Amino acid sequence: SQQGEEDPQALSIQEGENATMNCSYKTSINNLQWYRQNSGRGLVHLILIRSNEREKHSGRLRVTLDTSKKSSSLLITASRAADTASYFCATEGNNRLAFGKGNQVVVIP
Amino acid sequence: KAGVTQTPRYLIKTRGQQVTLSCSPISGHRSVSWYQQTPGQGLQFLFEYFSETQRNKGNFPGRFSGRQFSNSRSEMNVSTLELGDSALYLCASRLGGTGLYGYTFGSGTRLTVV
Repeated sequence: SQQGEEDPQALSIQEGENATMNCSYKTSINNLQWYRQNSGRGLVHLILIRSNEREKHSGRLRVTLDTSKKSSSLLITASRAADTASYFCATEGNNRLAFGKGNQVVVIP
Repeated sequence: KAGVTQTPRYLIKTRGQQVTLSCSPISGHRSVSWYQQTPGQGLQFLFEYFSETQRNKGNFPGRFSGRQFSNSRSEMNVSTLELGDSALYLCASRLGGTGLYGYTFGSGTRLTVV
C-alpha cells in the first residue's frame, strides 16, 4: 500500500531558520499532499503536488517531488513560532490518503 | 464559507456500546472521507463516500460502518465498542473526487472508550 514516511520525525529550530522535512513512499501515486496539525486538532491542507510536477511553491512553503526516488521534501522558510505543529505527508491513490507518521516541528521564539 | 463540521467534539462511551459520529462537509463538496488517528497506528483511512456511494473502504472490521445522505452529510457508526477504538476520528471533504484538490478536514471527534 502507499505509505508516506517522513524523516526526520522531530525538529527543533530557532525562529527565522528554515525547516526541511523529507517523505518517502513505496508505490506509484496520483499526487502527494502535505498537511499540518496543531495539538491533535484537525489537519490543515498545505500543498498538493501532482505526480507530473517536480516543484511547487506556496508562500513560505516549497515542495519537491522526485518520482524516480519516490520521495518528497517540504521546506518552510523563515519559520515562525506559529509554524510549531506536526507535519504529515500523504500519498493519494484511489481517492484515499495514506499518511506518514508525521514530523513534530518546534519553532523557538 | 463554513468549514467541515463534526459533532460531537468529545464522546465517552462504555465498552460494548455503539456510537454514531456526524460530519457536515463544506457546501458543494460531494466527497467525504473518514480517518482514525491514534498514537500507535497514526492516521488510517476508514472509508470514502461520493454522491451517497461508498467508493473505498479501509482495513477495519465490519463494526465500522458509514453512510452519506443526499445532502452530502455523512455519519459513521461503530458498534460493540472496544477499548482500542479510542481515537480521534477525522472527517474530510473535497470538491470533486478526481485527486486534483486537497482535503478540508474537520476538527474531529475524540472518542474515549472506557
